[in-house]
Amino acid sequence: SAVISQKPSRDICQRGTSLTIQCQVDSQVTMMFWYRQQPGQSLTLIATANQGSEATYESGFVIDKFPISRPNLTFSTLTVSNMSPEDSSIYLCSVDPPLLQGANRDYGYTFGSGTRLTVV
Amino acid sequence: AQKITQTQPGMFVQEKEAVTLDCTYDTSDPSYGLFWYKQPSSGEMIFLIYQGSYDQQNATEGRYSLNFQKARKSANLVISASQLGDSAMYFCAMREPLTGANNLFFGTGTRLTVIP
Repeated sequence: SAVISQKPSRDICQRGTSLTIQCQVDSQVTMMFWYRQQPGQSLTLIATANQGSEATYESGFVIDKFPISRPNLTFSTLTVSNMSPEDSSIYLCSVDPPLLQGANRDYGYTFGSGTRLTVV
Repeated sequence: AQKITQTQPGMFVQEKEAVTLDCTYDTSDPSYGLFWYKQPSSGEMIFLIYQGSYDQQNATEGRYSLNFQKARKSANLVISASQLGDSAMYFCAMREPLTGANNLFFGTGTRLTVIP
């Protein structure tokens, strides 16, 4: 399965500032997903990032607040803009498993190690 | 309606005993896939086991097995011989490929505590 390097692992930011989170994958993948996990909550999809096209955002998330870049098939960034304390969460990127068949199939979606963001 | 429902916010199990974590799902996609993930306090998401809607047998991976009851739309995770390192949050998730979106939908999770 793919290996994802996510940076930064954690950060403490002032309200009103922006933070860019990076995910680097060790293989080419079609789709990359960005999730938010608010304290004590489950994972919620922010957007799906495809290379060469605009990201697709879920209801409740907008591009101005969470701009995403996907310059190639191995890299993506998520920016959390004009932050407020309500943005304090863990942000995770993920990729879907490769389309392998038979005994070599790997169905597990791989996740980055997460970015623990605290906004003060 | 919730796509994934986990009704147990917290569970306790004695070390070396087995524990079942419940998950029910709701979908009209006949080609769905079900996943279980473990999230330790570090925050990383660790893939445990997968069950496809067309799989005839229950999935097993080491100490993890999935009790898949398709008619009841349930996919409970069974952890055998619990270890202290199993203490974590556990999330059930589903993929609905025919929707065209390949992301996962997650349940609210169950916090498992293994007691020595």
